[in-house]
Amino acid sequence: DVKVTQSSRYLVKRTGEKVFLECVQDMDHENMFWYRQDPGLGLRLIYFSYDVKMKEKGDIPEGYSVSREKKERFSLILESASTNQTSMYLCASSSSGNVNTEAFFGQGTRLTVV
Amino acid sequence: AQSVTQPDIHITVSEGASLELRCNYSYGATPYLFWYVQSPGQGLQLLLKYFSGDTLVQGIKGFEAEFKRSQSSFNLRKPSVHWSDAAEYFCAVGALNTNAGKSTFGDGTTLTVKP
Repeated sequence: DVKVTQSSRYLVKRTGEKVFLECVQDMDHENMFWYRQDPGLGLRLIYFSYDVKMKEKGDIPEGYSVSREKKERFSLILESASTNQTSMYLCASSSSGNVNTEAFFGQGTRLTVV
Repeated sequence: AQSVTQPDIHITVSEGASLELRCNYSYGATPYLFWYVQSPGQGLQLLLKYFSGDTLVQGIKGFEAEFKRSQSSFNLRKPSVHWSDAAEYFCAVGALNTNAGKSTFGDGTTLTVKP
């Protein structure tokens, strides 16, 4: 089974802190993604990566950065957390070898910024 | 740009009743279409997908969906709902040469199942 693992299920951070959300996948997927999920807004893409050290902005990259130093790991960084970044964050991965593929999601990290 | 509309924010059905969740998409060419389910506190799981061929696709957990190009729709159906189907459902559309994870998602439909 493909597994996408997010390091934390719940996080509480203070405004202004630097926050790292970690995601690891075990299926050698080329592509990895970070979404945030808010009620009534669906899933919005923050950043994605199609290869090690490669990244592209999604729809809402402001206030976030990412790092992909190894193929299996994709980190989302909140440089200075703010209360409007309180949300559910979902990591996903997929293979790029064939477009007929699906995205595999992690369990999500619910981040609260106080 | 591609987009997805799920017109129903919340649907309530009785256990054993049939279910149809609506999805309308906007895309200029043949889309890749997906339905995902999210149980409370969990990530998303793929129910089914359509790329080409037969317009009626079967998925896991007894779900099916029908692609109707003329209506730009990809509605999800289940003949008899179980209490465990209570969850949030997301329709997504992807483009040619865009892999599935970079799809555009609808805002979701929350399904409540009454005993």
